[in-house]
Amino acid sequence: EVQLLDSGGGLVQPGGSLRLSCAATGFTFSSYTMNWVRQAPGKGLEWVSGISGSGGSTYYADSVKGRFTISRDNSKNTLYLQMNGLRVEDTAVYYCAKVFSPLHTFDAFDIWGQGTMVSVSS
Amino acid sequence: QSALTQPASVSGSPGQSITISCTGTSNDVGRYNYVSWSQQHPGKAPKLMIYEVSNRPSGVSNRFSGSKSGNTASLTISGLQAEDEADYYCSSYTSSSAPVVFGGGTKLTVL
Repeated sequence: EVQLLDSGGGLVQPGGSLRLSCAATGFTFSSYTMNWVRQAPGKGLEWVSGISGSGGSTYYADSVKGRFTISRDNSKNTLYLQMNGLRVEDTAVYYCAKVFSPLHTFDAFDIWGQGTMVSVSS
Repeated sequence: QSALTQPASVSGSPGQSITISCTGTSNDVGRYNYVSWSQQHPGKAPKLMIYEVSNRPSGVSNRFSGSKSGNTASLTISGLQAEDEADYYCSSYTSSSAPVVFGGGTKLTVL
């Protein structure tokens, strides 16, 4: 079964750091661009970051550029998001998401993790 | 980077059809056929319903259909059922600095 399992969320003070992980099973992980998408409480979805299958290309939303770093370990079928300089407005459920096709970098997100909550508060 | 524009809410009675619009620009919806629609029930992760404007993933009911005209994409749900009540989000590939943009979401209420 194709599955993504997010973890690593928690409560952190403004300016702090967290690292999220997403373990993938059931598909050839290295063939797919992987992404992080977040959802603030009561709000809509916001794309945060993406990384190509090889890890050679990374992409970021302007709101997190310079503070967040996406990476992947294809030997462990795991995606990461290192979040530094966290702000109150980063509070959200963070989902990892797999793209639908190995042929396109960003066509659609067909498999989602269950989400991990990140709360930034003093 | 501006989000795609969706109506905040739509409603319909069981058995009826509804359409949700998603308006973008010539840099996203109008330029690329990488428009998708996702369904999200409260407290759950999103579920892909339509990809590449009008294609349904395996397992998605044929009551769901998608289309695009110019800068506006649309999701139509026919034969509304109670289980369709959820939030719906469109997304598109974009030529902006960030490659993906979402709509603000539409809450569908089945009366």
